[in-house]
Amino acid sequence: GENVEQHPSTLSVQEGDSAVIKCTYSDSASNYFPWYKQELGKGPQLIIDIRSNVGEKKDQRIAVTLNKTAKHFSLHITETQPEDSAVYFCAASWGNNNDMRFGAGTRLTVKP
Amino acid sequence: EPEVTQTPSHQVTQMGQEVILRCVPISNHLYFYWYRQILGQKVEFLVSFYNNEISEKSEIFDDQFSVERPDGSNFTLKIRSTKLEDSAMYFCASSDQGANTGELFFGEGSRLTVL
Repeated sequence: GENVEQHPSTLSVQEGDSAVIKCTYSDSASNYFPWYKQELGKGPQLIIDIRSNVGEKKDQRIAVTLNKTAKHFSLHITETQPEDSAVYFCAASWGNNNDMRFGAGTRLTVKP
Repeated sequence: EPEVTQTPSHQVTQMGQEVILRCVPISNHLYFYWYRQILGQKVEFLVSFYNNEISEKSEIFDDQFSVERPDGSNFTLKIRSTKLEDSAMYFCASSDQGANTGELFFGEGSRLTVL
């Protein structure tokens, strides 16, 4: 089955700096790659996603890039703010709607 | 805004007991999922449910686990004969389009502690 690896496990940045989180996946059939943000005491919430027919997608301060050949995708957060502090999970899904596999998560801390 | 609700928020049980975790998915959603997250670890897929039956389950979802949609609104996860290693946060999620098509909406989770 699909295996998603995520790095780093923790990331600390100064407010205003950029943060990059990287993921790799194993199954070349995967074609949908969402990113979820989990704030303390809450369930994960979708923040951005990308499909395999697109190499990059941007939404304000967040962007995701996908390299299908290398089977990796990354989340980029620019101009980080303290409220960006959370755990971020990458995920991968493939041809059916039954399953989505998550990475191990990255705890991002943005220091004011 | 519609949301997925889960009860209880926290349950403490003795090893060997049965627990039922309840979820009310968003009303027009058709796909339902259970995930679990052991403290500090990844969110692990347990099972997906569509059209009143299990559509996929992971290797974790063995005979100890079962799911049910008893009344058209609730979606329950039953864990029989709980073990210490079942202690985790259990998340329910629902989707109107499915895991490969659209967003999964997660509840806030049910924390299970097995003593």
